[in-house]
Amino acid sequence: DGGITQSPKYLFRKEGQNVTLSCEQNLNHDAMYWYRQDPGQGLRLIYYSQIVNDFQKGDIAEGYSVSREKKESFPLTVTSAQKNPTAFYLCASSQRGDLTGELFFGEGSRLTVL
Amino acid sequence: ELKVEQNPLFLSMQEGKNYTIYCNYSTTSDRLYWYRQDPGKSLESLFVLLSNGAVKQEGRLMASLDTKARLSTLHITAAVHDLSATYFCAVPENPAGNMLTFGGGTRLMVKP
Repeated sequence: DGGITQSPKYLFRKEGQNVTLSCEQNLNHDAMYWYRQDPGQGLRLIYYSQIVNDFQKGDIAEGYSVSREKKESFPLTVTSAQKNPTAFYLCASSQRGDLTGELFFGEGSRLTVL
Repeated sequence: ELKVEQNPLFLSMQEGKNYTIYCNYSTTSDRLYWYRQDPGKSLESLFVLLSNGAVKQEGRLMASLDTKARLSTLHITAAVHDLSATYFCAVPENPAGNMLTFGGGTRLMVKP
């Protein structure tokens, strides 16, 4: 089945540690995105990538880094510079040129800083 | 900067009643998306509205888009408990792109 797989689903981190969240898609989509959701809030865009080896900052990129070495993979690293990293992280993908522009989401990764 | 606002933010309603959730956005767009989120879960696509006057219905939910008024509505007919969730609308940041700006969400609670 085609879809987006995020791992891990739950992650605990000590302050000062970097962590990497995985996002893999087998939908053959060109574009991939990372969103952050805080409790009771909407989603905010962290980074996005329209093609391999290229990515752009979203609204809240500070303290995060990404890479896009393969079309199907878009990992997100939450660095120690992110002051308040506890949140629910959602990865999404879409197909460039698709008239609907619809985003498809993974199941999410919940990060808690201890 | 694109702003997307939903109201109400919280809605508690009785089963069998009707209600409408509103989504206003600040810049021109001819596309709008509605998603549903259950507690602790990811987002599920409900509706993709692609033009002015677009109307889509699925079960007890109906969504419409008025691009001139920069307004979309999500109408709930004869609510049932299973509709309890948070509903988000989202608008592309620019006409050619797929980066979406989300509203703050409407948390719907349907009571028996």
